[in-house]
Amino acid sequence: AQSVTQPDIHITVSEGASLELRCNYSYGATPYLFWYVQSPGQGLQLLLKYFSGDTLVQGIKGFEAEFKRSQSSFNLRKPSVHWSDAAEYFCAVTPLNKFYFGSGTKLNVKP
Amino acid sequence: DAGVTQSPTHLIKTRGQQVTLRCSPKSGHDTVSWYQQALGQGPQFIFQYYEEEERQRGNFPDRFSGHQFPNYSSELNVNALLLGDSALYLCASSASGGRSDKNIQYFGAGTRLSVL
Repeated sequence: AQSVTQPDIHITVSEGASLELRCNYSYGATPYLFWYVQSPGQGLQLLLKYFSGDTLVQGIKGFEAEFKRSQSSFNLRKPSVHWSDAAEYFCAVTPLNKFYFGSGTKLNVKP
Repeated sequence: DAGVTQSPTHLIKTRGQQVTLRCSPKSGHDTVSWYQQALGQGPQFIFQYYEEEERQRGNFPDRFSGHQFPNYSSELNVNALLLGDSALYLCASSASGGRSDKNIQYFGAGTRLSVL
């Protein structure tokens, strides 16, 4: 069965520090991979996606993610976090039109 | 260009009642998916509609049903509400065919359902 694991429930970083959010998936083939962000009381906004090709993908708001097939991982990174990045981040995979989401990582940013 | 719109934004119901949630997809999109997001959890796939038919379904009971209209808008119906149905219900739309954004789902802000 397909699954998505985000091992970190909460992460706190200082403003200006770097960030890495982890995502591992379980699926027989390479699915399409996504990162979404959700602010309180809001829907999900797409940050970036990986379909094929270059394993380092760039997204909006200065985020990037790297797909590592050997580790079944798709970790999200940002070199310098801003206070406005505080939100919940979800990794998702989609084999065959059905999206599977991780349980999310809540990011707090210290001033 | 309007994105995905959902109505209502908030809803309060009592156990045993029935509820209907509505979704209008992003312009140019023909596929609508529904998700349930319980507090502190990631969204869980309920079902997806394409060409007015349910194309895929997640692990939800038959109390959850839906409909898609010729203009691609969609409804989610939940019968015999339980306390555990309290959640944020998210609608997402996507495009089929040869579009470059095929396989990308765009989400609405959701409907917050509280069952008392």
